Amino acid sequence: KAGVTQTPRYLIKTRGQQVTLSCSPISGHRSVSWYQQTPGQGLQFLFEYFSETQRNKGNFPGRFSGRQFSNSRSEMNVSTLELGDSALYLCASSRGGGGDYEQYFGPGTRLTVT
Amino acid sequence: AQSVAQPEDQVNVAEGNPLTVKCTYSVSGNPYLFWYVQYPNRGLQFLLKYITGDNLVKGSYGFEAEFNKSQTSFHLKKPSALVSDSALYFCAVRDLNSGYALNFGKGTSLLVTP
Repeated sequence: KAGVTQTPRYLIKTRGQQVTLSCSPISGHRSVSWYQQTPGQGLQFLFEYFSETQRNKGNFPGRFSGRQFSNSRSEMNVSTLELGDSALYLCASSRGGGGDYEQYFGPGTRLTVT
Repeated sequence: AQSVAQPEDQVNVAEGNPLTVKCTYSVSGNPYLFWYVQYPNRGLQFLLKYITGDNLVKGSYGFEAEFNKSQTSFHLKKPSALVSDSALYFCAVRDLNSGYALNFGKGTSLLVTP
């Protein structure tokens, strides 16, 4: 079974631009979560979608948004990029919506903002 | 909020020796605990989880973890370390108070020397 895929793997953007990252979950998984990983803040939860509905959102500004499609694929968007948005963005999927399901992570998208 | 702490930034162990990576948790109610490993330039790989039941949980690649309610700990262990186990290890707890986000520890770098 194919794992979680994320595109693109690497991205370089300029301050003020916007970016869209894509995530394809494992087949049959209905929950998709996004995390930001930085050396200073570690792994931080961005948001989680289940059956096209955003169930939870982390403590990030409104510039960070996302959505999930009917095939469970998900995208996240960051508008008006700031230097501090440089990070590894990880997508994770899980089979069910309950708290006991483990999440499976993709390889991440490395975003560099200059 | 539900949280975990990893008190060691780095653990060094010789190949063939047992290894322990420590994690303590702070939660209200019953914790859902997870261990993940991250290799350079890769996403996180799921190792094991504790939801309920036996306090000793066995996972992937020969790893196991012991849930200790009285000490609020969930240490990761392996009887005999391999050089290829060198990686970054994350303990995580499911934050049931704010949906199903994973709250991660800051990570412990494991170095196994030949």
